[in-house]
Amino acid sequence: DGGITQSPKYLFRKEGQNVTLSCEQNLNHDAMYWYRQDPGQGLRLIYYSQIVNDFQKGDIAEGYSVSREKKESFPLTVTSAQKNPTAFYLCASSKIGQGQETQYFGPGTRLLVL
Amino acid sequence: AQSVTQLDSQVPVFEEAPVELRCNYSSSVSVYLFWYVQYPNQGLQLLLKYLSGSTLVKGINGFEAEFNKSQTSFHLRKPSVHISDTAEYFCAVRTIGGSYIPTFGRGTSLIVHP
Repeated sequence: DGGITQSPKYLFRKEGQNVTLSCEQNLNHDAMYWYRQDPGQGLRLIYYSQIVNDFQKGDIAEGYSVSREKKESFPLTVTSAQKNPTAFYLCASSKIGQGQETQYFGPGTRLLVL
Repeated sequence: AQSVTQLDSQVPVFEEAPVELRCNYSSSVSVYLFWYVQYPNQGLQLLLKYLSGSTLVKGINGFEAEFNKSQTSFHLRKPSVHISDTAEYFCAVRTIGGSYIPTFGRGTSLIVHP
């Protein structure tokens, strides 16, 4: 079955620690996205990538970093500079082009601070 | 730039009653419109989308939405809800010919009571 996988489902971060959230897709989609979800605030875009080895900052990129070395993979690192990382993180992917706008989402990773 | 307003943060309703979740958007150009559903602790999945053509769009699980260009609205409706429809619903908009990044509303929590 094609889809998007995210791991781990739950992640605990200690003060000053960097953590990496995994996102893999086998849908052959060009575009991938990372969103942060907080209660009552909807989805806020962290980073997105249209092509391998290229990515752009979204609305709330500070304290986060990404890489796109393979088409299938788009890991997100939450750095120690992100002072309030507790949230639900969603990865998505889509094709690019007219009529190809549907985003497909992974099951999410919940990040908690110890 | 586009924006999306979901007018109700929470909509309580009894089982088998009809429901309408409201979504208004703002954009200086033509748009594509989407409704996504999110069940607890899961990712989002597409309910329906409007790209062009008929303004009445039918989606999964018996939901439908009507695109009203003059009122810049895309309200989601279901004639008879079930307990299993309890979830968070997100409206999203993307400008045609512009950035492929959608803008999401803050979400509406639909709570179906027995």
